Amino acid sequence: IVMTQSPLSLSVTPGQSAFISCKSSESLLHTDGPTFLYWFLQKSGQSPKLLIYEVSSRFSGVPDRFSGSGSGTDFTLTISRVEAEDVGVYYCMQGIELPHTFGQGTKLEIK
Amino acid sequence: QVQLVESGGGVVPPGRSLRLSCAASGFIFSNYGMHWVRQAPGSGLESVAVISHDGSRTYYADSVKGRFTVSRDNSRTTLFLVMNSLRRDDTAMYFCAKDDKLTPLDYWGLGTLVSVSS
Repeated sequence: IVMTQSPLSLSVTPGQSAFISCKSSESLLHTDGPTFLYWFLQKSGQSPKLLIYEVSSRFSGVPDRFSGSGSGTDFTLTISRVEAEDVGVYYCMQGIELPHTFGQGTKLEIK
Repeated sequence: QVQLVESGGGVVPPGRSLRLSCAASGFIFSNYGMHWVRQAPGSGLESVAVISHDGSRTYYADSVKGRFTVSRDNSRTTLFLVMNSLRRDDTAMYFCAKDDKLTPLDYWGLGTLVSVSS
């Protein structure tokens, strides 16, 4: 399954919102009901960290400024009220097929 | 707390082999599948191998199939990745990550660097 993110980079003013799109080449909706789309953030020099699971659920400790939406093959990560600490590379990942595959990454910078 | 510590990386000539290890603690290791994910310099993430909680099922990316083998020792709470016939494009940081049915790759190690160079 090919995951395609856009844009590949974006620059946002603190306090504004950021939107990252992720499209999958096949539906990520499982026959049992869940949709297996995840979002990760990798800050410079660190390992990636899980932000969002099953499209819209926030992982433990993730601020509510981060939200996910979408269905089937089209998904969006929204970061509201962007802060300096949100800088890094965001990846979407499909979890319906093993091994999982990631999008190319979207680099978020602060203006 | 969950801790994953990779080791075994280094500089190796093309065609040679290397074995990576990932020491796990802070959770019941034998209950969870595990992943190896790599990241080439300046590039994105690639999941290269997955193993089920009991080691009975394994999955590989096409780029490493037939050359890499993932295994685990639940008695020592350690994950392994044996990499044979290494190529220059295998150069990357290799991370191990814990699986979970609801929240896959919910915890990652800091990685170990593999450099394939003559």
